[in-house]
Amino acid sequence: NAGVMQNPRHLVRRRGQEARLRCSPMKGHSHVYWYRQLPEEGLKFMVYLQKENIIDESGMPKERFSAEFPKEGPSILRIQQVVRGDSAAYFCASSPNRGRGNTEAFFGQGTRLTVV
Amino acid sequence: DAKTTQPPSMDCAEGRAANLPCNHSTISGNEYVYWYRQIHSQGPQYIIHGLKNNETNEMASLIITEDRKSSTLILPHATLRDTAVYYCINPDSWGKLQFGAGTQVVVTP
Repeated sequence: NAGVMQNPRHLVRRRGQEARLRCSPMKGHSHVYWYRQLPEEGLKFMVYLQKENIIDESGMPKERFSAEFPKEGPSILRIQQVVRGDSAAYFCASSPNRGRGNTEAFFGQGTRLTVV
Repeated sequence: DAKTTQPPSMDCAEGRAANLPCNHSTISGNEYVYWYRQIHSQGPQYIIHGLKNNETNEMASLIITEDRKSSTLILPHATLRDTAVYYCINPDSWGKLQFGAGTQVVVTP
C-alpha cells in the first residue's frame, strides 16, 4: 500500500503564474488535509476535504487559493497568480475516517514551491 | 491556535530515554492527545495517540495524567534518527490538526 503521494516534489514558478499541487491519498482514504509550512515556521492548516466536498477551508487565503478532491483522481491545491510569499512547503495528509479518535493522518513528503 | 504548550527544545543523549512533556489544560472529555514528529522538513509522522489510558507502541509510550491536563511522550532509547520537532496535538471533531511550535529534540552521541 503506497503512502500519500505528492507531486511534483519541487515546483518553480514565476510571479503571476499558476501552481498546481497534486496529492494522491492512501488507498481507501477519503479524507484529505492540506497544510502549508513557510520557511522556518510551523505547519499551518489550510483545508480539509472529503470526496467532492470542502469541509473546512478556514485556513485558506481568501484569494488565489482553491482546492478540490474530485470523485476520481487526486486532490488538487491550486494557487493562481503566485507571489513570492507563496514560496513554502505544502503538505498533504490523508486519513480513512473522520473524528477525534480515528484521525491518524498519514502525510506525504510535500511539494516545495519556489516563486521567482 | 494550538491548545497545547510544549517546551521549545530539549537535548537527549543517545541511548537514554527522552521524556517530552505537554500541557493541555483546556482539553475536553472527548478530545484525544496525539503526537507527531517532523524530521528535518520531511512530512510529519504519526507517533501515538490516547484518550485516558497510557498507550505504548513500537515507537513510544504515552503517559496521560489522571486529570488529562498533561501528558508525556517517552522515547525509550533515543537514537540520532529521533532528532526532530515533536508536536502534541488535540485534534478537533473533524480531525483537523493544529500544529504549534512543538519541541525541538536533539539527540546527541
